Amino acid sequence: DTGVSQNPRHKITKRGQNVTFRCDPISEHNRLYWYRQTLGQGPEFLTYFQNEAQLEKSRLLSDRFSAERPKGSFSTLEIQRTEQGDSAMYLCASSLDLGAVEKLFFGSGTQLSVL
Amino acid sequence: DAKTTQPNSMESNEEEPVHLPCNHSTISGTDYIHWYRQLPSQGPEYVIHGLTSNVNNRMASLAIAEDRKSSTLILHRATLRDAAVYYCILRVNTGNQFYFGTGTSLTVIP
Repeated sequence: DTGVSQNPRHKITKRGQNVTFRCDPISEHNRLYWYRQTLGQGPEFLTYFQNEAQLEKSRLLSDRFSAERPKGSFSTLEIQRTEQGDSAMYLCASSLDLGAVEKLFFGSGTQLSVL
Repeated sequence: DAKTTQPNSMESNEEEPVHLPCNHSTISGTDYIHWYRQLPSQGPEYVIHGLTSNVNNRMASLAIAEDRKSSTLILHRATLRDAAVYYCILRVNTGNQFYFGTGTSLTVIP
C-alpha cells in the first residue's frame, strides 16, 4: 500500500461550476477525514467518516459541499456552484480508530483554484 | 476546540538541536499531545505523541511539563529536510477531530 491517494492534484475551474475530488485511503483504515487548508493557515476540519457513516460535519461545510464514502472505501468530496472563496488545498486523511492515540495519514491534497 | 499556542516561526542552524515549544494550558487529564509536521507541498505527517511521560522515537523527542500545560518537541540535529511547519495538537479522548492551529514554521539555516 502506497498510502493515501488524492486525485486530481490540481483543479482549475470557473466560478459556478461543480467539482469533485476523490480520496483513496489506506486499505485497512476505517476512518477518513477531509480538511481544507488556505495559504498560511493550518488544516481546518470539514468532515469525517467511520466506515461508510458520515459522523461529523464542520460548520465550514456549507450546503454546497457534500461528501460520500460508499462501502467504506474511497471517498468523494463535491463542491457545487463553486465560489472564489472555495479556492484552497483540500486534504484527505485516513486512520484506524484508536481513540486518543489515533494517527492520521494524509494525502498530498487537491489544490483547487476557482477563477 | 482544544487550544494550543505556538510561536509563528523559528530558525535553527543545521545540525544543531531545535526546541519547539507549545502551550496548552486548558489540557485535561485524558488529552493526548500530538505533533505533526507539514513539508512544503505535502500533507501533514505524524511526528510523535504523548500523555504524561517524555517520549522518544526515530524522528524526535517530546518533553512534557509536569503540570502538562506545556510541551516541547525536540529535534536533536536539525537537517535541511526538517524545514517544515510543526503543529502541536491536543487530541481529546472524547472527541473525534484533530484541530490544527497555525503551527510553527521552522527554517533550517545551512
